[in-house]
Amino acid sequence: EPEVTQTPSHQVTQMGQEVILRCVPISNHLYFYWYRQILGQKVEFLVSFYNNEISEKSEIFDDQFSVERPDGSNFTLKIRSTKLEDSAMYFCASIGQGGNYGYTFGSGTRLTVV
Amino acid sequence: SQQGEEDPQALSIQEGENATMNCSYKTSINNLQWYRQNSGRGLVHLILIRSNEREKHSGRLRVTLDTSKKSSSLLITASRAADTASYFCATGAISGGYNKLIFGAGTRLAVHP
Repeated sequence: EPEVTQTPSHQVTQMGQEVILRCVPISNHLYFYWYRQILGQKVEFLVSFYNNEISEKSEIFDDQFSVERPDGSNFTLKIRSTKLEDSAMYFCASIGQGGNYGYTFGSGTRLTVV
Repeated sequence: SQQGEEDPQALSIQEGENATMNCSYKTSINNLQWYRQNSGRGLVHLILIRSNEREKHSGRLRVTLDTSKKSSSLLITASRAADTASYFCATGAISGGYNKLIFGAGTRLAVHP
């Protein structure tokens, strides 16, 4: 069964450093998303991406965040200057259609900012 | 309460028993989805029910949706220890053609052998 692949599975970074979280969505999917889950809390929407541009972003997704699809397969989330409160699990997801379909989520990257 | 709130927050049952989890939401939706998350792992899509559907089955899972009450339930029948996980409901609403999910806080299910 096709999978969404995320790397790395765990990243530890110093506060103020830049991090790039990587995702390889399912190859024929068209819509890509990043969500995050702070430990013990609910999963929160960050951003959706379609046709090589951001289609929607949440209040969390401020100027410190950016997304890119640099080639036909990768989808990245960059945090320019990490803060302690950015520590969370970050999930990438993709779907083939924009309508009534379930998402395929990756297994997540656990980001720890120290 | 916020969109997609589940209750109970935690549920502990014995193997073989049924587990029922409920979800309430506030805004209009296109669909409601249930996901499962094993501790520290990714989210696995279980089942999607459209706003014009009232009930849906998938194996041991049964989902109901009452749009008049803005609520849904997930029933797991004949539970197994392997069903131990957190279960989240997520409401999907198409905005400008893009489907964004809003998750609830989840129900932690523990199934004891």
